[in-house]
Amino acid sequence: RKEVEQDPGPFNVPEGATVAFNCTYSNSASQSFFWYRQDCRKEPKLLMSVYSSGNEDGRFTAQLNRASQYISLLIRDSKLSDSATYLCVVNRNSGYALNFGKGTSLLVTP
Amino acid sequence: NAGVTQTPKFQVLKTGQSMTLQCAQDMNHEYMSWYRQDPGMGLRLIHYSVGAGITDQGEVPNGYNVSRSTTEDFPLRLLSAAPSQTSVYFCASRIEGEFGEQFFGPGTRLTVL
Repeated sequence: RKEVEQDPGPFNVPEGATVAFNCTYSNSASQSFFWYRQDCRKEPKLLMSVYSSGNEDGRFTAQLNRASQYISLLIRDSKLSDSATYLCVVNRNSGYALNFGKGTSLLVTP
Repeated sequence: NAGVTQTPKFQVLKTGQSMTLQCAQDMNHEYMSWYRQDPGMGLRLIHYSVGAGITDQGEVPNGYNVSRSTTEDFPLRLLSAAPSQTSVYFCASRIEGEFGEQFFGPGTRLTVL
C-alpha cells in the first residue's frame, strides 16, 4: 500500500464552485501534514500546513482526522487560477523526509 | 536569497553514461532531499540528508548516489544511466521543525537514450 493515497481526479469545476480533495496515509506515526500545489511543469510549492485542530487560510480549509488517517482540503469560491495539481504530503517514518501523494488535478473553468 | 538552485535544467544522456546533478541552497537548511517525478507516479524520494555527512535512502535509491560534504550542496550522481531514469528530478531543502516548509528547486529534465 502506498504511504499517501489521493484520488487523482481530474476534478473539473466551474468558477465559484466548492471542491474537496481527500487523502489517506498509512503510517500512524506521522506527525507532519501538508498540502502542496504544483503548476504544470513547475516545482511544487507549499499551499498550507495541516494542523490537528484544522485550519483555514482564506478560501482554503484543511482538516486532519488522525483516527482515520485522513486529510482533506476544501477550496471555496474556486478561481481560474486555482487550476493546478494538489499534492497531499506526510512526513515519512516520523522524520523529516516527506512522502508525496500522486496528486489530484483540478481544472476550474469559466 | 537564490533559494534552491539546480543545474543543469535539461540533460540528454546515452545509456551507460554517468553524470552529476547539482543542487545548492543558501538558506542554511540542514535537511535536503532528491525526488524524481514521472507521469502517473507522483514525486518519489530518492535520497535525503539531515545534515553534512549524513545521508539515507528513500523510496527509489537504486542507480543513484549522494554525498553531503557541506550544508549548502547535495549533488545526485547517476552511476550508469538507464532509460528508466528518464524523469524530472527535483532537489529540495526544508526548514527544521514539525511544520517546516520544504522548498524545491526548478527541476532538471533528464532524458536517457
